[in-house]
Amino acid sequence: AQSVTQPDIHITVSEGASLELRCNYSYGATPYLFWYVQSPGQGLQLLLKYFSGDTLVQGIKGFEAEFKRSQSSFNLRKPSVHWSDAAEYFCAVGAPGGGSNYKLTFGKGTLLTVNP
Amino acid sequence: NAGVTQTPKFRILKIGQSMTLQCTQDMNHNYMYWYRQDPGMGLKLIYYSVGAGITDKGEVPNGYNVSRSTTEDFPLRLELAAPSQTSVYFCASRDSSSYEQYFGPGTRLTVT
Repeated sequence: AQSVTQPDIHITVSEGASLELRCNYSYGATPYLFWYVQSPGQGLQLLLKYFSGDTLVQGIKGFEAEFKRSQSSFNLRKPSVHWSDAAEYFCAVGAPGGGSNYKLTFGKGTLLTVNP
Repeated sequence: NAGVTQTPKFRILKIGQSMTLQCTQDMNHNYMYWYRQDPGMGLKLIYYSVGAGITDKGEVPNGYNVSRSTTEDFPLRLELAAPSQTSVYFCASRDSSSYEQYFGPGTRLTVT
């Protein structure tokens, strides 16, 4: 069974500082990997995704993530955080191949606070 | 193009009452999902559907029912509300050729 761990429940950074949110997954092969962001009172919005190929993927809002097979990780990064990035971030994993049994498993989320 | 819409946004139920959470998508997606989100727990899959007339249980289906009579609509039914069902409920959909799920804005439900 697939699983996702986000080790950091809450992270606080200063505006303009760099950011890295950690995500580790458990799956027998290379899964499909996603990062979603949830602003307060809103639904989830996809930031970026990885299926195969280049292990460094670019997303929206200046975010990027790097897939490291040896570490079973898919960490999210941003070089300079803006106050509007304050939100909750979810990493998710899906088994490749799609089909009727394809489902996403979500981590428990990391809450990001941005100090002015 | 509204994407995934959910109604109501907020609801307070008394224990034992019933209600239906509505979910509609206008993207002609085959796959639809219902999740619940509890603080610090991420999202848990309740039920999902791979097309009209076909539904299946997810990780936490107890206390809920679903139906899928059309491609667009995927309502979630709570028959006998319990305090443990206090949560935020999200509906999502995806196209059969994509692995990205599109989420609705959520319904915040309180059972007292």
